[in-house]
Amino acid sequence: AQKVTQAQTEISVVEKEDVTLDCVYETRDTTYYLFWYKQPPSGELVFLIRRNSFDEQNEISGRYSWNFQKSTSSFNFTITASQVVDSAVYFCALSGYYNQGGKLIFGQGTELSVKP
Amino acid sequence: EPEVTQTPSHQVTQMGQEVILRCVPISNHLYFYWYRQILGQKVEFLVSFYNNEISEKSEIFDDQFSVERPDGSNFTLKIRSTKLEDSAMYFCASSVADESTEAFFGQGTRLTVV
Repeated sequence: AQKVTQAQTEISVVEKEDVTLDCVYETRDTTYYLFWYKQPPSGELVFLIRRNSFDEQNEISGRYSWNFQKSTSSFNFTITASQVVDSAVYFCALSGYYNQGGKLIFGQGTELSVKP
Repeated sequence: EPEVTQTPSHQVTQMGQEVILRCVPISNHLYFYWYRQILGQKVEFLVSFYNNEISEKSEIFDDQFSVERPDGSNFTLKIRSTKLEDSAMYFCASSVADESTEAFFGQGTRLTVV
């Protein structure tokens, strides 16, 4: 069975602090995809990143970086120098590769609150 | 930038009534999805649709639910006889291909069953 666990329900930081959101996944697939989505207070889901299971290289995009470690089944997300606009719920998600209709399995989400 | 559009943004309906939630996926996308999010909870997969048929559905997607692509642009979710527990945010998503590409989500329809 596939499962995504985001153990941190809520995180509160002060602006300019770095913050890491944890994501641990379970899957029996050897090929799979991992995603992060952001849900701001307005409610929509905004795609942030997709990573396939063959690519363990860390990725950086501006203040965002992602650390994928297959050995620990983790795909953590770090925001450097956080800003108030980063306040949102962040979801990690997993997608299998074959014959799964493209469905995403989401974690419970981590609510990040960045205070000025 | 192309986007997935959902209407209405908020729908209030009485228990037992039928509702149809509408979505216009991105035009060159081939895979379509419905997800729901009960308030304060995680986003849950309902159904995926490709080539005019359901690819996969979850246990949530029972006989009360149906999906349709009535024309070349719309993708609808119908709930036949709504229950209080159907109250949730419903997200439509589309992707150009299957699980190897990212799904783009609409802004959601908040369904309130009273």
